[in-house]
Amino acid sequence: QKEVEQNSGPLSVPEGAIASLNCTYSDRGSQSFFWYRQYSGKSPELIMFIYSNGDKEDGRFTAQLNKASQYVSLLIRDSQPSDSATYLCAVTGWGKLIFGQGTELSVKP
Amino acid sequence: GAGVSQSPSNKVTEKGKDVELRCDPISGHTALYWYRQSLGQGLEFLIYFQGNSAPDKSGLPSDRFSAERTGGSVSTLTIQRTQQEDSAVYLCASSLYGGVNEKLFFGSGTQLSVL
Repeated sequence: QKEVEQNSGPLSVPEGAIASLNCTYSDRGSQSFFWYRQYSGKSPELIMFIYSNGDKEDGRFTAQLNKASQYVSLLIRDSQPSDSATYLCAVTGWGKLIFGQGTELSVKP
Repeated sequence: GAGVSQSPSNKVTEKGKDVELRCDPISGHTALYWYRQSLGQGLEFLIYFQGNSAPDKSGLPSDRFSAERTGGSVSTLTIQRTQQEDSAVYLCASSLYGGVNEKLFFGSGTQLSVL
Protein backbone atom coordinates (compact mmCIF):
# COMPACT_ATOMS: atom_id res chain seq x y z
CA GLN A 1 0.00 0.00 0.00
CA LYS A 2 1.30 3.43 -0.94
CA GLU A 3 1.70 5.87 1.91
CA VAL A 4 -0.40 8.53 0.19
CA GLU A 5 -2.77 7.59 -2.61
CA GLN A 6 -4.60 9.73 -5.13
CA ASN A 7 -6.44 8.97 -8.33
CA SER A 8 -4.10 10.09 -11.09
CA GLY A 9 -6.97 11.24 -13.28
CA PRO A 10 -7.32 13.11 -15.47
CA LEU A 11 -10.39 14.55 -13.83
CA SER A 12 -12.35 16.66 -16.28
CA VAL A 13 -15.03 19.11 -15.14
CA PRO A 14 -16.88 21.88 -16.97
CA GLU A 15 -16.23 25.50 -16.08
CA GLY A 16 -18.32 26.56 -13.10
CA ALA A 17 -18.70 23.05 -11.69
CA ILE A 18 -17.35 21.67 -8.42
CA ALA A 19 -14.15 19.65 -8.69
CA SER A 20 -13.62 17.04 -5.99
CA LEU A 21 -10.12 15.66 -5.40
CA ASN A 22 -9.52 12.81 -2.98
CA CYS A 23 -6.58 11.42 -1.06
CA THR A 24 -6.08 8.57 1.40
CA TYR A 25 -3.09 7.96 3.64
CA SER A 26 -1.75 5.03 5.60
CA ASP A 27 -0.02 6.54 8.65
CA ARG A 28 -2.62 6.95 11.43
CA GLY A 29 -0.17 9.19 13.26
CA SER A 30 -0.19 11.83 10.53
CA GLN A 31 -1.10 15.23 11.87
CA SER A 32 -0.79 17.69 9.01
CA PHE A 33 -2.30 17.58 5.55
CA PHE A 34 -1.53 19.80 2.60
CA TRP A 35 -2.74 20.40 -0.93
CA TYR A 36 -0.19 21.69 -3.43
CA ARG A 37 -1.00 22.79 -6.96
CA GLN A 38 1.49 22.19 -9.76
CA TYR A 39 1.07 23.73 -13.17
CA SER A 40 2.71 21.88 -16.04
CA GLY A 41 6.45 22.49 -16.03
CA LYS A 42 6.32 24.47 -12.80
CA SER A 43 7.12 23.72 -9.19
CA PRO A 44 4.43 22.93 -6.59
CA GLU A 45 2.82 25.72 -4.61
CA LEU A 46 0.82 25.38 -1.42
CA ILE A 47 -2.87 26.20 -1.68
CA MET A 48 -4.42 24.67 1.45
CA PHE A 49 -3.47 22.98 4.69
CA ILE A 50 -5.63 21.36 7.36
CA TYR A 51 -4.82 19.89 10.75
CA SER A 52 -8.19 19.18 12.38
CA ASN A 53 -11.10 16.98 11.43
CA GLY A 54 -13.80 18.76 9.49
CA ASP A 55 -13.85 21.39 6.81
CA LYS A 56 -11.62 24.38 6.17
CA GLU A 57 -12.65 26.95 3.62
CA ASP A 58 -10.49 29.48 1.79
CA GLY A 59 -12.22 31.30 -1.03
CA ARG A 60 -13.30 28.77 -3.65
CA PHE A 61 -11.30 26.00 -1.98
CA THR A 62 -12.48 23.71 0.82
CA ALA A 63 -10.29 21.08 2.42
CA GLN A 64 -12.00 18.23 4.26
CA LEU A 65 -10.28 15.91 6.72
CA ASN A 66 -11.53 12.68 8.27
CA LYS A 67 -8.78 11.14 10.38
CA ALA A 68 -10.87 8.11 11.35
CA SER A 69 -11.20 7.18 7.69
CA GLN A 70 -7.68 8.44 6.86
CA TYR A 71 -9.14 10.56 4.11
CA VAL A 72 -8.56 14.13 2.98
CA SER A 73 -10.22 15.90 0.09
CA LEU A 74 -10.13 19.20 -1.75
CA LEU A 75 -13.21 20.79 -3.26
CA ILE A 76 -12.89 23.57 -5.80
CA ARG A 77 -16.11 25.51 -6.33
CA ASP A 78 -16.88 27.46 -9.50
CA SER A 79 -13.97 25.77 -11.27
CA GLN A 80 -12.10 27.93 -13.76
CA PRO A 81 -9.87 26.94 -16.68
CA SER A 82 -7.01 28.49 -14.72
CA ASP A 83 -7.52 25.78 -12.08
CA SER A 84 -6.32 23.19 -14.60
CA ALA A 85 -3.23 21.70 -13.00
CA THR A 86 -2.04 18.68 -11.06
CA TYR A 87 -3.08 18.69 -7.40
CA LEU A 88 -0.72 16.99 -5.00
CA CYS A 89 -1.85 15.75 -1.61
CA ALA A 90 0.89 15.77 1.01
CA VAL A 91 0.79 14.23 4.47
CA THR A 92 3.24 14.35 7.33
CA GLY A 93 4.25 10.83 8.13
CA TRP A 94 7.24 9.15 9.71
CA GLY A 95 8.68 12.61 10.39
CA LYS A 96 8.60 13.87 6.83
CA LEU A 97 6.22 15.23 4.24
CA ILE A 98 5.06 12.52 1.86
CA PHE A 99 3.39 13.35 -1.42
CA GLY A 100 0.84 11.43 -3.42
CA GLN A 101 1.27 10.99 -7.15
CA GLY A 102 -1.11 13.85 -7.88
CA THR A 103 -4.46 14.19 -9.65
CA GLU A 104 -4.55 16.00 -12.96
CA LEU A 105 -7.52 18.35 -13.17
CA SER A 106 -8.79 19.74 -16.45
CA VAL A 107 -11.46 22.44 -16.41
CA LYS A 108 -13.16 22.79 -19.80
CA PRO A 109 -14.54 26.20 -20.86
CA GLY B 1 17.39 35.45 -1.77
CA ALA B 2 13.79 36.03 -2.66
CA GLY B 3 13.08 32.40 -3.38
CA VAL B 4 14.66 28.97 -3.57
CA SER B 5 17.18 28.92 -6.37
CA GLN B 6 18.33 25.77 -8.14
CA SER B 7 21.01 25.29 -10.73
CA PRO B 8 21.39 24.22 -13.39
CA SER B 9 17.82 24.35 -14.64
CA ASN B 10 18.61 21.63 -17.17
CA LYS B 11 21.37 19.05 -17.23
CA VAL B 12 22.00 16.50 -19.95
CA THR B 13 24.64 13.92 -19.18
CA GLU B 14 25.89 10.61 -20.43
CA LYS B 15 25.30 7.40 -18.56
CA GLY B 16 28.11 6.77 -16.09
CA LYS B 17 29.02 10.41 -15.55
CA ASP B 18 28.74 12.19 -12.20
CA VAL B 19 26.48 15.22 -11.77
CA GLU B 20 26.09 17.88 -9.09
CA LEU B 21 22.86 19.73 -8.51
CA ARG B 22 22.79 22.88 -6.43
CA CYS B 23 20.14 24.40 -4.20
CA ASP B 24 20.23 27.82 -2.56
CA PRO B 25 17.35 28.05 -0.05
CA ILE B 26 15.49 31.12 1.13
CA SER B 27 17.74 33.13 3.40
CA GLY B 28 17.17 32.20 7.04
CA HIS B 29 15.42 28.91 6.33
CA THR B 30 16.96 26.19 8.46
CA ALA B 31 15.31 23.21 6.80
CA LEU B 32 16.07 22.02 3.29
CA TYR B 33 14.55 19.14 1.37
CA TRP B 34 15.37 17.30 -1.84
CA TYR B 35 12.61 15.57 -3.80
CA ARG B 36 12.63 13.80 -7.15
CA GLN B 37 9.75 13.85 -9.61
CA SER B 38 9.70 11.45 -12.51
CA LEU B 39 7.48 12.14 -15.52
CA GLY B 40 3.83 11.99 -14.52
CA GLN B 41 4.67 10.96 -10.97
CA GLY B 42 4.40 12.57 -7.57
CA LEU B 43 7.26 13.82 -5.49
CA GLU B 44 9.62 11.21 -4.10
CA PHE B 45 11.37 12.26 -0.88
CA LEU B 46 15.15 11.97 -1.03
CA ILE B 47 16.74 13.72 1.95
CA TYR B 48 16.09 16.37 4.57
CA PHE B 49 18.56 18.76 6.22
CA GLN B 50 18.12 20.61 9.48
CA GLY B 51 20.98 23.08 9.47
CA ASN B 52 23.95 21.15 8.13
CA SER B 53 22.79 17.83 9.51
CA ALA B 54 20.77 15.26 7.60
CA PRO B 55 18.57 13.48 10.17
CA ASP B 56 16.68 11.68 7.42
CA LYS B 57 18.48 10.17 4.43
CA SER B 58 16.00 7.35 4.06
CA GLY B 59 14.84 8.37 0.62
CA LEU B 60 18.19 8.25 -1.16
CA PRO B 61 17.67 5.52 -3.80
CA SER B 62 21.18 4.08 -3.70
CA ASP B 63 24.70 4.76 -2.51
CA ARG B 64 25.33 6.59 -5.78
CA PHE B 65 23.32 9.46 -4.32
CA SER B 66 24.76 11.79 -1.70
CA ALA B 67 24.04 15.28 -0.47
CA GLU B 68 25.66 17.84 1.72
CA ARG B 69 24.81 21.23 3.08
CA THR B 70 27.36 23.77 4.18
CA GLY B 71 27.02 26.90 6.30
CA GLY B 72 23.38 26.06 6.91
CA SER B 73 22.65 27.37 3.45
CA VAL B 74 23.58 25.95 0.04
CA SER B 75 23.10 22.25 -0.58
CA THR B 76 24.55 20.02 -3.27
CA LEU B 77 23.02 16.74 -4.42
CA THR B 78 25.56 14.52 -6.15
CA ILE B 79 24.71 11.54 -8.30
CA GLN B 80 27.64 9.32 -9.20
CA ARG B 81 27.75 7.01 -12.20
CA THR B 82 24.39 8.22 -13.45
CA GLN B 83 21.91 5.76 -14.88
CA GLN B 84 19.02 6.35 -17.26
CA GLU B 85 16.52 5.75 -14.45
CA ASP B 86 17.98 8.78 -12.66
CA SER B 87 16.36 11.01 -15.30
CA ALA B 88 13.83 13.17 -13.49
CA VAL B 89 13.19 16.66 -12.17
CA TYR B 90 15.04 17.20 -8.91
CA LEU B 91 13.22 19.68 -6.70
CA CYS B 92 14.63 21.45 -3.69
CA ALA B 93 12.45 23.05 -1.02
CA SER B 94 13.08 24.95 2.16
CA SER B 95 11.13 25.92 5.24
CA LEU B 96 11.83 28.25 8.13
CA TYR B 97 12.18 25.76 11.00
CA GLY B 98 11.50 22.34 9.54
CA GLY B 99 8.36 21.82 11.57
CA VAL B 100 5.91 19.26 10.24
CA ASN B 101 3.21 21.91 9.92
CA GLU B 102 5.29 24.29 7.88
CA LYS B 103 4.78 25.33 4.29
CA LEU B 104 7.50 24.25 1.90
CA PHE B 105 8.81 26.71 -0.65
CA PHE B 106 9.98 24.97 -3.79
CA GLY B 107 12.61 25.91 -6.31
CA SER B 108 11.97 25.57 -10.02
CA GLY B 109 13.88 22.32 -10.19
CA THR B 110 16.67 20.78 -12.21
CA GLN B 111 15.61 18.65 -15.16
CA LEU B 112 18.18 15.85 -15.38
CA SER B 113 18.37 13.79 -18.54
CA VAL B 114 20.72 10.81 -18.65
CA LEU B 115 21.37 9.58 -22.16
